[in-house]
Amino acid sequence: EVQLLESGGDLVQPGGSLRLSCAASGFNFNIYAINWVRQAPGKGLEWVSSISSNMISINYADSVKGRFTISRDNSKNTVYLQMNSLRAEDTAVYYCAKASEHLTIFTGMDVWGQGTTVTVSS
Amino acid sequence: DIQMTQSPSSLSASVGDRVTITCRASQSITTYLNWYQQKPGKAPKLLIYGASNLHSGVPSRFSGSRFGTNFTLAISSLQPEDFATYYCQQSTSSPFTFGPGTKVDIK
Repeated sequence: EVQLLESGGDLVQPGGSLRLSCAASGFNFNIYAINWVRQAPGKGLEWVSSISSNMISINYADSVKGRFTISRDNSKNTVYLQMNSLRAEDTAVYYCAKASEHLTIFTGMDVWGQGTTVTVSS
Repeated sequence: DIQMTQSPSSLSASVGDRVTITCRASQSITTYLNWYQQKPGKAPKLLIYGASNLHSGVPSRFSGSRFGTNFTLAISSLQPEDFATYYCQQSTSSPFTFGPGTKVDIK
Protein backbone atom coordinates (compact mmCIF):
# COMPACT_ATOMS: atom_id res chain seq x y z
CA GLU A 1 0.00 0.00 0.00
CA VAL A 2 1.28 3.46 -0.91
CA GLN A 3 1.53 5.40 2.30
CA LEU A 4 2.94 8.54 3.90
CA LEU A 5 3.19 8.89 7.65
CA GLU A 6 3.98 12.20 9.31
CA SER A 7 5.34 12.58 12.81
CA GLY A 8 6.96 15.18 15.01
CA GLY A 9 4.10 17.56 15.61
CA ASP A 10 3.95 19.05 19.09
CA LEU A 11 3.19 22.07 21.23
CA VAL A 12 6.10 24.52 21.06
CA GLN A 13 6.68 28.03 22.34
CA PRO A 14 7.03 30.98 19.99
CA GLY A 15 10.60 31.19 18.74
CA GLY A 16 11.10 27.48 19.22
CA SER A 17 12.01 24.74 16.76
CA LEU A 18 10.52 21.49 15.62
CA ARG A 19 11.40 18.83 13.06
CA LEU A 20 8.67 17.01 11.21
CA SER A 21 9.24 13.68 9.47
CA CYS A 22 7.38 12.07 6.61
CA ALA A 23 8.04 8.34 6.19
CA ALA A 24 7.08 6.83 2.84
CA SER A 25 6.31 3.25 1.90
CA GLY A 26 4.81 1.26 -0.94
CA PHE A 27 6.32 3.16 -3.88
CA ASN A 28 9.67 4.04 -5.46
CA PHE A 29 10.39 7.00 -3.18
CA ASN A 30 13.59 7.96 -4.99
CA ILE A 31 11.81 9.22 -8.13
CA TYR A 32 9.05 11.35 -6.61
CA ALA A 33 9.04 14.88 -5.29
CA ILE A 34 7.47 15.44 -1.90
CA ASN A 35 5.58 18.49 -0.69
CA TRP A 36 4.54 19.86 2.67
CA VAL A 37 1.11 21.49 2.87
CA ARG A 38 -0.43 22.98 6.00
CA GLN A 39 -3.88 23.91 7.17
CA ALA A 40 -4.46 26.32 10.02
CA PRO A 41 -7.53 25.66 12.18
CA GLY A 42 -10.67 26.44 10.20
CA LYS A 43 -8.68 27.71 7.22
CA GLY A 44 -7.79 26.54 3.73
CA LEU A 45 -4.80 24.68 2.41
CA GLU A 46 -1.43 26.43 2.18
CA TRP A 47 1.45 24.93 0.21
CA VAL A 48 4.63 25.21 2.33
CA SER A 49 7.56 23.54 0.59
CA SER A 50 8.66 20.99 -1.98
CA ILE A 51 11.77 18.95 -2.68
CA SER A 52 12.51 17.16 -5.92
CA SER A 53 13.51 13.50 -6.08
CA ASN A 54 17.18 14.41 -6.64
CA MET A 55 17.10 17.26 -4.09
CA ILE A 56 18.19 19.78 -6.75
CA SER A 57 14.93 21.70 -6.74
CA ILE A 58 13.82 23.01 -3.35
CA ASN A 59 11.08 25.59 -2.95
CA TYR A 60 9.40 27.44 -0.09
CA ALA A 61 6.39 29.63 0.49
CA ASP A 62 7.32 33.22 1.28
CA SER A 63 5.72 32.82 4.71
CA VAL A 64 8.32 30.23 5.79
CA LYS A 65 11.36 31.12 3.69
CA GLY A 66 14.45 31.53 5.84
CA ARG A 67 12.84 29.75 8.80
CA PHE A 68 11.93 26.29 7.44
CA THR A 69 14.26 23.81 5.73
CA ILE A 70 13.13 20.79 3.77
CA SER A 71 15.39 17.80 3.23
CA ARG A 72 15.16 14.15 2.34
CA ASP A 73 17.04 10.95 2.98
CA ASN A 74 16.39 8.62 0.06
CA SER A 75 18.09 5.74 1.92
CA LYS A 76 15.45 6.03 4.64
CA ASN A 77 12.48 6.94 2.40
CA THR A 78 11.93 9.97 4.59
CA VAL A 79 11.44 13.71 4.09
CA TYR A 80 12.01 16.20 6.88
CA LEU A 81 10.81 19.72 7.58
CA GLN A 82 13.00 21.61 10.03
CA MET A 83 10.99 24.51 11.43
CA ASN A 84 12.82 27.28 13.30
CA SER A 85 11.72 30.61 14.75
CA LEU A 86 8.18 29.33 15.01
CA ARG A 87 5.33 31.81 15.23
CA ALA A 88 1.73 31.55 16.36
CA GLU A 89 0.67 31.74 12.72
CA ASP A 90 2.55 28.50 12.01
CA THR A 91 -0.04 26.64 14.07
CA ALA A 92 -1.59 24.11 11.70
CA VAL A 93 -1.97 20.53 10.65
CA TYR A 94 1.01 19.72 8.45
CA TYR A 95 0.57 17.21 5.66
CA CYS A 96 3.22 15.68 3.46
CA ALA A 97 2.09 14.78 -0.03
CA LYS A 98 3.64 12.85 -2.91
CA ALA A 99 3.92 14.26 -6.42
CA SER A 100 1.54 12.48 -8.75
CA GLU A 101 4.09 12.22 -11.58
CA HIS A 102 7.63 11.02 -11.21
CA LEU A 103 10.74 13.14 -11.78
CA THR A 104 8.93 16.48 -11.68
CA ILE A 105 7.77 18.98 -9.10
CA PHE A 106 5.29 20.58 -11.52
CA THR A 107 2.40 18.27 -10.88
CA GLY A 108 -0.43 17.50 -8.49
CA MET A 109 -0.24 15.57 -5.24
CA ASP A 110 -1.86 12.16 -5.24
CA VAL A 111 -0.94 10.58 -1.90
CA TRP A 112 -1.25 12.43 1.39
CA GLY A 113 -0.38 11.54 4.93
CA GLN A 114 -2.85 11.82 7.78
CA GLY A 115 -1.24 15.02 9.05
CA THR A 116 0.63 16.03 12.19
CA THR A 117 -0.42 18.93 14.40
CA VAL A 118 1.91 21.78 15.26
CA THR A 119 0.76 24.24 17.91
CA VAL A 120 2.82 27.33 18.61
CA SER A 121 1.76 28.91 21.86
CA SER A 122 3.17 30.09 25.16
CA ASP B 1 3.48 34.90 -7.24
CA ILE B 2 0.43 33.44 -8.96
CA GLN B 3 -2.83 34.14 -7.15
CA MET B 4 -5.71 31.69 -7.35
CA THR B 5 -9.31 32.67 -6.79
CA GLN B 6 -12.38 30.45 -6.58
CA SER B 7 -16.07 31.08 -6.93
CA PRO B 8 -18.38 30.67 -5.27
CA SER B 9 -16.89 30.39 -1.80
CA SER B 10 -19.77 28.15 -0.85
CA LEU B 11 -22.86 26.66 -2.40
CA SER B 12 -25.84 24.63 -1.35
CA ALA B 13 -27.07 21.88 -3.63
CA SER B 14 -29.21 18.77 -3.64
CA VAL B 15 -28.35 15.20 -4.47
CA GLY B 16 -28.56 14.81 -8.23
CA ASP B 17 -27.78 18.45 -9.02
CA ARG B 18 -25.10 19.47 -11.49
CA VAL B 19 -22.53 21.62 -9.71
CA THR B 20 -19.78 23.79 -11.18
CA ILE B 21 -16.93 25.51 -9.37
CA THR B 22 -14.70 28.08 -11.03
CA CYS B 23 -11.03 28.77 -10.39
CA ARG B 24 -9.11 31.65 -11.91
CA ALA B 25 -5.37 32.16 -12.08
CA SER B 26 -3.82 35.64 -11.97
CA GLN B 27 -1.62 34.77 -14.95
CA SER B 28 -1.21 31.98 -17.45
CA ILE B 29 -0.63 28.55 -15.92
CA THR B 30 -1.46 26.65 -19.13
CA THR B 31 -2.90 23.34 -17.88
CA TYR B 32 -0.96 23.07 -14.60
CA LEU B 33 -4.14 23.10 -12.54
CA ASN B 34 -5.22 20.47 -10.03
CA TRP B 35 -8.42 19.96 -8.08
CA TYR B 36 -8.74 18.42 -4.63
CA GLN B 37 -11.62 17.35 -2.42
CA GLN B 38 -11.35 17.58 1.35
CA LYS B 39 -13.77 16.37 3.99
CA PRO B 40 -13.65 17.59 7.60
CA GLY B 41 -10.78 16.12 9.59
CA LYS B 42 -9.38 14.30 6.57
CA ALA B 43 -6.49 14.83 4.20
CA PRO B 44 -7.28 16.22 0.75
CA LYS B 45 -7.76 13.86 -2.18
CA LEU B 46 -6.63 14.53 -5.74
CA LEU B 47 -9.54 14.58 -8.19
CA ILE B 48 -8.24 16.21 -11.38
CA TYR B 49 -4.71 16.94 -12.57
CA GLY B 50 -3.53 18.82 -15.63
CA ALA B 51 -6.80 20.76 -15.71
CA SER B 52 -8.87 17.93 -17.20
CA ASN B 53 -7.33 14.55 -16.36
CA LEU B 54 -9.31 12.38 -13.97
CA HIS B 55 -7.13 10.87 -11.26
CA SER B 56 -7.27 7.10 -10.94
CA GLY B 57 -10.28 5.87 -9.01
CA VAL B 58 -12.18 9.15 -9.15
CA PRO B 59 -15.79 8.75 -10.35
CA SER B 60 -16.51 9.89 -13.88
CA ARG B 61 -19.15 12.36 -12.66
CA PHE B 62 -16.21 14.65 -11.89
CA SER B 63 -14.68 16.56 -14.79
CA GLY B 64 -12.37 19.52 -15.31
CA SER B 65 -12.01 22.04 -18.10
CA ARG B 66 -9.99 25.09 -19.00
CA PHE B 67 -10.65 28.32 -20.87
CA GLY B 68 -7.62 30.55 -20.79
CA THR B 69 -6.86 31.26 -17.15
CA ASN B 70 -10.30 30.13 -16.05
CA PHE B 71 -10.85 26.57 -14.91
CA THR B 72 -13.99 24.68 -13.99
CA LEU B 73 -14.65 21.64 -11.87
CA ALA B 74 -18.00 20.05 -12.66
CA ILE B 75 -19.89 17.36 -10.81
CA SER B 76 -22.55 16.03 -13.15
CA SER B 77 -24.84 14.50 -10.55
CA LEU B 78 -24.03 15.33 -6.96
CA GLN B 79 -23.88 12.33 -4.63
CA PRO B 80 -24.10 12.32 -0.81
CA GLU B 81 -20.39 11.59 -0.52
CA ASP B 82 -19.53 14.69 -2.60
CA PHE B 83 -20.44 17.18 0.09
CA ALA B 84 -17.03 18.57 0.93
CA THR B 85 -14.69 21.48 0.30
CA TYR B 86 -12.96 21.72 -3.07
CA TYR B 87 -9.64 23.41 -3.74
CA CYS B 88 -7.81 24.26 -6.93
CA GLN B 89 -4.03 24.48 -6.99
CA GLN B 90 -1.58 25.64 -9.62
CA SER B 91 1.58 23.64 -10.19
CA THR B 92 3.28 25.68 -12.90
CA SER B 93 5.59 27.67 -10.68
CA SER B 94 6.59 28.00 -7.05
CA PRO B 95 4.92 28.91 -4.76
CA PHE B 96 2.37 26.28 -5.78
CA THR B 97 -0.63 28.21 -4.52
CA PHE B 98 -4.05 26.87 -3.63
CA GLY B 99 -7.33 28.63 -4.14
CA PRO B 100 -9.31 29.58 -1.02
CA GLY B 101 -11.73 26.68 -1.40
CA THR B 102 -15.40 26.14 -2.21
CA LYS B 103 -17.58 24.45 0.35
CA VAL B 104 -20.41 22.35 -1.06
CA ASP B 105 -23.13 21.56 1.42
CA ILE B 106 -26.59 20.11 1.43
CA LYS B 107 -29.51 22.32 0.50
